[in-house]
Amino acid sequence: GEDVEQSLFLSVREGDSSVINCTYTDSSSTYLYWYKQEPGAGLQLLTYIFSNMDMKQDQRLTVLLNKKDKHLSLRIADTQTGDSAIYFCAERGNTDKLIFGTGTRLQVFP
Amino acid sequence: DAMVIQNPRYQVTQFGKPVTLSCSQTLNHNVMYWYQQKSSQAPKLLFHYYDKDFNNEADTPDNFQSRRPNTSFCFLDIRSPGLGDAAMYLCATSRDWDRGQFFGPGTRLTVL
Repeated sequence: GEDVEQSLFLSVREGDSSVINCTYTDSSSTYLYWYKQEPGAGLQLLTYIFSNMDMKQDQRLTVLLNKKDKHLSLRIADTQTGDSAIYFCAERGNTDKLIFGTGTRLQVFP
Repeated sequence: DAMVIQNPRYQVTQFGKPVTLSCSQTLNHNVMYWYQQKSSQAPKLLFHYYDKDFNNEADTPDNFQSRRPNTSFCFLDIRSPGLGDAAMYLCATSRDWDRGQFFGPGTRLTVL
């Protein structure tokens, strides 16, 4: 079945780059997404990538997709304390729903 | 600003007492979703509406029902809340299947 996995925690120093990784199993995934969730809040759509793309850049965010290895990553340049949150990757295959990863808690320290 | 609104943000109910959570959207999106999210877990899809077509997830308990009276509003009814139903309930919308989903701020439900 469909499965999306992420590492649980990432800790980085303010100003460094953060890289959050995600692996998925559904080879028919068409879109892959990154969401950010701050404590007590809903999920904020950060960016998404279509499966025929390798890379997408949006200001401080860079998404890399390796479709052969079913690996997705989100790089945050110049990480700030406001970036501390849980980051979920999600994939959508041929069904009409998103499959979410387990979430990665990013902690940024000064 | 176009957005997804959930009311109330915090809801306290008693064990077994019916409760209704509300979601509204100004995005004019076709699809509306309800998710349950427990602490430190990913959101779990309960059901969704594509326009008026209702789609229930196979493992969603019968205790959970939904109504979508018009494009803008969608309700989640929990008929007899149990302690295990305490969670954050997230509403989301999307224009179509191939677009990202936009989430509301959530309603945190406490069951006493």
